[in-house]
This record gives sequence, C-alpha cells and structure tokens, in this order.
Amino acid sequence: AQRVTQPEKLLSVFKGAPVELKCNYSYSGSPELFWYVQYSRQRLQLLLRHISRESIKGFTADLNKGETSFHLKKPFAQEEDSAMYYCALRGGSYIPTFGRGTSLIVHP
Amino acid sequence: DVKVTQSSRYLVKRTGEKVFLECVQDMDHENMFWYRQDPGLGLRLIYFSYDVKMKEKGDIPEGYSVSREKKERFSLILESASTNQTSMYLCASSTPSETQYFGPGTRLLVL
Repeated sequence: AQRVTQPEKLLSVFKGAPVELKCNYSYSGSPELFWYVQYSRQRLQLLLRHISRESIKGFTADLNKGETSFHLKKPFAQEEDSAMYYCALRGGSYIPTFGRGTSLIVHP
Repeated sequence: DVKVTQSSRYLVKRTGEKVFLECVQDMDHENMFWYRQDPGLGLRLIYFSYDVKMKEKGDIPEGYSVSREKKERFSLILESASTNQTSMYLCASSTPSETQYFGPGTRLLVL
C-alpha cells in the first residue's frame, strides 16, 4: 500500500520568510514523488517532480529515502505563492496517491 | 499544450437526479481519472480508465459509475444524486509514465 501524509492543513508565513511544506510517504519500493499546486480559481497543475531535480518558481524538493520524505522548500516566500499544495506518490502502478493538501498563505 | 476540459464549471441538481459530468482531453492519453476534491480530505480517486471501455474502481466508487466509449472522453455518472455528493469534481488524464493533467473542475451542488 502507498500512503502520503501532509501533516499541516494550513501554513501561514510572512512575505520573505522561508517556507517548508512537509510530505512524508509510505511505500516499499522506489516511488516517484510529485508536488502539485492549485492557485485560487485555477486548475491543479504540476509544480515539480523529484526525478527532474528542477527548481520551479524558486521551489525545490529533495527525496529523502531514509526519512521517506519529500518536503517542498522555498527560501523567500512571495504573496503569489499562496495556494493549495498537494504531494503525490506514484508507485508500481500509474495511479498516484495524493496527500490531503496544505494551504499556504503568505501575508504581505 | 495538453488540454483537459470539463463540460460544466458549476452544476446545481436535486436529490435523486441523474447527473452526467463529462471530460475531454485532446492529447491522446491512455489514462483518464475522476477525483473528488473536498477540504481536508484532498483528492480521492473515484474511477479511472486505462483504455477505451476499460474502467477500474478507485477509492470511493460507491454511488458513481463511468463510461469511456471514446479515447478522448471520460464521463462520470451519478445515478441518483445525493447531498453528500456535493463536491468539486476533477478530471485528469495522462500517459502511463507521465504526470497528470487536470481539468478546471466541476463544482456540483446537490440540493
């Protein structure tokens, strides 16, 4: 079975502060991990995936197999980062499992 | 650019009505998915399809059925709508190895 846990329903920070959205997973094999983002009144879209090892909009995420984590980080939050963020895992099948999401609010 | 469209952005239906939600993708993707999105519960998979006329139950299929007669179109059917099916419904499509592309969502209110 595969499981994704996002322990924070809501994360509230001020502009310019560092941000870390936590994601822990449970999967016995080699997973593929993703972060999706949904801005207000927009569709859910891919932010980044661990195999790309990219930085998108200043966000990075590193897969830590020892801690089974894939936390999303940004050193300096911007107001436009306010959105709903979902961590997702894809294991042996092509069906991803999503976490419950974390709402990020960045205050001016 | 992948395009996933859903037939309605907002729907209001009465309890007991039969409801059809349609999703169309234009990238020849094999896989299509229907999710419910509820606050605090995240995305929950209702049904998915990996080919025309093929379907598999997801985590919460009760009260729903699906139809995939053509590769580009995946329909979600609520046979007899109930108030607890009030939700945001998201359609997605993908190839077996790539990420999912989501539609804009249909917000359904069942009165």
